[in-house]
Amino acid sequence: AQSVTQLGSHVSVSEGALVLLRCNYSSSVPPYLFWYVQYPNQGLQLLLKYTTGATLVKGINGFEAEFKKSETSFHLTKPSAHMSDAAEYFCAVSPNQAGTALIFGKGTTLSVSS
Amino acid sequence: GAVVSQHPSWVICKSGTSVKIECRSLDFQATTMFWYRQFPKQSLMLMATSNEGSKATYEQGVEKDKFLINHASLTLSTLTVTSAHPEDSSFYICSASLTGATDTQYFGPGTRLTVL
Repeated sequence: AQSVTQLGSHVSVSEGALVLLRCNYSSSVPPYLFWYVQYPNQGLQLLLKYTTGATLVKGINGFEAEFKKSETSFHLTKPSAHMSDAAEYFCAVSPNQAGTALIFGKGTTLSVSS
Repeated sequence: GAVVSQHPSWVICKSGTSVKIECRSLDFQATTMFWYRQFPKQSLMLMATSNEGSKATYEQGVEKDKFLINHASLTLSTLTVTSAHPEDSSFYICSASLTGATDTQYFGPGTRLTVL
């Protein structure tokens, strides 16, 4: 069975500061890992995903995440926060099986102050 | 590409009435669609998995007679909330996977349901 833990329900950073959102997963099979962003009253937008291959994954809007199997982690980072990054971020895991739903973490709210 | 739409985007209904929410994959065929429910400030909870041409698979605790799911074509799945009550008020989000694909799901913009 898979599960996802996002450490910190709320992260606050200043504009221009490093963004670090933590995600740890549990999976009995090699997982697929995802980060999604959700703006108020909107659906989810895929930021990036890891399936196989390179463990450092680059996504949209300057975000990247690194898959670390030894630490069962997939933390999301961005070197310099922008006001527009303020949103809810969800880490998700999926077994690499067709037709299988994603399992989401509880989400982390990112606030960016000027 | 890979756009998923939902209709309506928001709906207000009276208690006891039924509401239908549509989820469409606009530019791809989706053998499997998923329905999630999201309460304010919370994560997405999977309600059911919908496969084209077959009965939906519901998660534990989700009433199949209350949340009717139909997946009649490769581009359309519907969720009908029957005899809605205020506690059914929530944000409902669908997602769809490319047929045969195992990695990425594409999410609809969500439907805000408010039951008075």
